Amino acid sequence: DAGITQSPRYKITETGRQVTLMCHQTWSHSYMFWYRQDLGHGLRLIYYSAAADITDKGEVPDGYVVSRSKTENFPLTLESATRSQTSVYFCASSEQGSQPQHFGDGTRLSIL
Amino acid sequence: EDQVTQSPEALRLQEGESSSLNCSYTVSGLRGLFWYRQDPGKGPEFLFTLYSAGEEKEKERLKATLTKKESFLHITAPKPEDSATYLCAVQRSYGGATNKLIFGTGTLLAVQP
Repeated sequence: DAGITQSPRYKITETGRQVTLMCHQTWSHSYMFWYRQDLGHGLRLIYYSAAADITDKGEVPDGYVVSRSKTENFPLTLESATRSQTSVYFCASSEQGSQPQHFGDGTRLSIL
Repeated sequence: EDQVTQSPEALRLQEGESSSLNCSYTVSGLRGLFWYRQDPGKGPEFLFTLYSAGEEKEKERLKATLTKKESFLHITAPKPEDSATYLCAVQRSYGGATNKLIFGTGTLLAVQP
C-alpha cells in the first residue's frame, strides 16, 4: 500500500547502544522529516531532508544522525543512546516544502 | 522566537455540544497554518492548511478559520468519533528554515455520548 512506513513500531534498548529507526515512503515525496514527541513539548523537529543527499538540522539534532541515499528512505540513527532520547519518533514526508506533511504511525523507543 | 500556543489543553464535550479550539501564534511571516488530528498510538493526520487571514476551510463537522494572530477549529455537533488530540502547526515564510513546522502541544478533545 502507498504511504509512509516506520519500523520498528516498538524498540527497547540500553544506554550506549546504537539504534536505527527506519522510514520508507512510496509517494516519491522530495521532503522527509524526523520528529520526536514528548509530553509537554509537542512535536519537535530533529532533522529534515529536501532531497536525496541533502539533509539539515532541526530544533533538537544533538545525538542523532541521518542519511538519505535514496528518495524513499530516511533512516534516523542514535549513535550512543541516552535515557533522554526515550520518546515517540515520527517520520513525515511532503511533496514540496510548503505542502502538508504526512506522518507515519511512529516508533516508540525506550532506553533503559 | 516562533511560538504556537493551543488552548484549552483538554476539552470534554457532550455529543452535539459545539465548541472551538484555539491556536495562537507568533511567527516571522506566516507561510501556512496547519491543523492535524492525532488518535492514540497513531501519527498526526492532516486536516487543513490556511494561508492568509480571513481564509476558512471546512470538512464534515470541522471548520478552521484564520486571523493574523490566531486560528480556530470549530467543531459543530461533535460525535464520539471526533475524540482525538488536535494539533496546530505554523510554517514561517522568510528568515530561513521555511520548510519547518512549529507545533503546539495540542488540545485533547473527548466527546461523550
